[in-house]
Amino acid sequence: AAGVIQSPRHLIKEKRETATLKCYPIPRHDTVYWYQQGPGQDPQFLISFYEKMQSDKGSIPDRFSAQQFSDYHSELNMSSLELGDSALYFCASSLQEMNTEAFFGQGTRLTVV
Amino acid sequence: AQSVAQPEDQVNVAEGNPLTVKCTYSVSGNPYLFWYVQYPNRGLQFLLKYITGDNLVKGSYGFEAEFNKSQTSFHLKKPSALVSDSALYFCAVRDINSGTYKYIFGTGTRLKVLA
Repeated sequence: AAGVIQSPRHLIKEKRETATLKCYPIPRHDTVYWYQQGPGQDPQFLISFYEKMQSDKGSIPDRFSAQQFSDYHSELNMSSLELGDSALYFCASSLQEMNTEAFFGQGTRLTVV
Repeated sequence: AQSVAQPEDQVNVAEGNPLTVKCTYSVSGNPYLFWYVQYPNRGLQFLLKYITGDNLVKGSYGFEAEFNKSQTSFHLKKPSALVSDSALYFCAVRDINSGTYKYIFGTGTRLKVLA
């Protein structure tokens, strides 16, 4: 079965650079979520989209932005990178019905040096 | 606000023994509860969920969870632990007050199964 695809798997950037993370949700899923997981921490919600419209925002820095495109893939853009942005970034997709579970991608490990 | 708490950072259990990973919840309205497992440098894998109905929910890899409304708990259990069950386990609740019903995670419990 198709899963959530994220690219790249690993990314190394220098401070103040820009990074773009991509996510391809499971077909027919109408909702995409982005989470950030620091070392030894639980996933923190960043932002979500329902049917290509931003629908919820969490603790996402102003330096970050995201969008969902007509083919439902989503991109997380991160600018002016800081050392503290080093983390595992997950994308997940689900149906919006409350009784459904989210499926997570393998994540992108971003290292800022 | 919807939240879940995992009181144990780590649980150690001998292989073959039963295991329990604890989770308590705080919600307004009906709880939609989930358990996920994470192996090193991997994404979160869905194990099971409670929506309504039977308080004992069965999931993947022999795991089950018991929903207890009076104790507001949703503990993950397995009758006989395997070394390969060693991983990080997250309890989650779906936030029915948010626009997309986002998933809110507990702080995670590291399960270590000893051979």
